[in-house]
Amino acid sequence: AQSVAQPEDQVNVAEGNPLTVKCTYSVSGNPYLFWYVQYPNRGLQFLLKYITGDNLVKGSYGFEAEFNKSQTSFHLKKPSALVSDSALYFCAVRVLSGANNLFFGTGTRLTVIP
Amino acid sequence: NAGVTQTPKFRVLKTGQSMTLLCAQDMNHEYMYWYRQDPGMGLRLIHYSVGEGTTAKGEVPDGYNVSRLKKQNFLLGLESAAPSQTSVYFCASKMTGGNEQFFGPGTRLTVL
Repeated sequence: AQSVAQPEDQVNVAEGNPLTVKCTYSVSGNPYLFWYVQYPNRGLQFLLKYITGDNLVKGSYGFEAEFNKSQTSFHLKKPSALVSDSALYFCAVRVLSGANNLFFGTGTRLTVIP
Repeated sequence: NAGVTQTPKFRVLKTGQSMTLLCAQDMNHEYMYWYRQDPGMGLRLIHYSVGEGTTAKGEVPDGYNVSRLKKQNFLLGLESAAPSQTSVYFCASKMTGGNEQFFGPGTRLTVL
C-alpha cells in the first residue's frame, strides 16, 4: 500500500524568502510523484511531477521539487516566495493499479506574508 | 477547450434526498475519476472509469453510484444523501498512458 505524508499543516514565509513544503512517501517499486496547488474555491492545478531522471524537477510558476530516494522525500521549493503563492499544496503519488489514480497527502497551507 | 467542467458548483440537500453531479471533459480522455475532499484528509477516490461503459469502485464508494454512458461524461449519484456526504467533490480525467490528471473546479455539497 502507498502513503503520502505532509508533516506541516501550515507553512508561513515572508515574501521574497525561499519556501519549502515537505512531503515524504511510501510506495512499492519506483514512485511517480506529483505536486498540485489549489487556490481558494478552485480545482487542483498541476505543478510538477517526478517519473524518472534528474532528481531536481522544475515546474510551473518557478516551483521545483527535489526527489530524494534514500529519504523517500519529494519536497517542493521556490527560491523567492510571492504573496500570490499563498494556497493549499498537495503532494501525491500515482497508484500503479487498474485505477492509476493519485493518492494524496493531507495538504499544506502556504501563507506568504507581505 | 474547456477542460474539465462540473455542474452544479454548489448544492444543499436534505438528508434522504437524491442528486446527480455531472462531470464533462473535452480532451478525449479515457480515464475519469471522482474524488471527495474533506478537511485534513486530502482527496479520496470514490469511483473511477477507464473508458466508456466501465466503472469501478475506489477507496470510499459507499453511498455513491456512477455511470459513464458517454466517453466525455462521468456522473456521480447520491441516492439517499447523508450528512457524512457533506464535502467538496472533484472530478478529474487522464489520457491513457499519461501521468497528469486534470481537475474540474469542484462541487460543494452540503447535506443537512
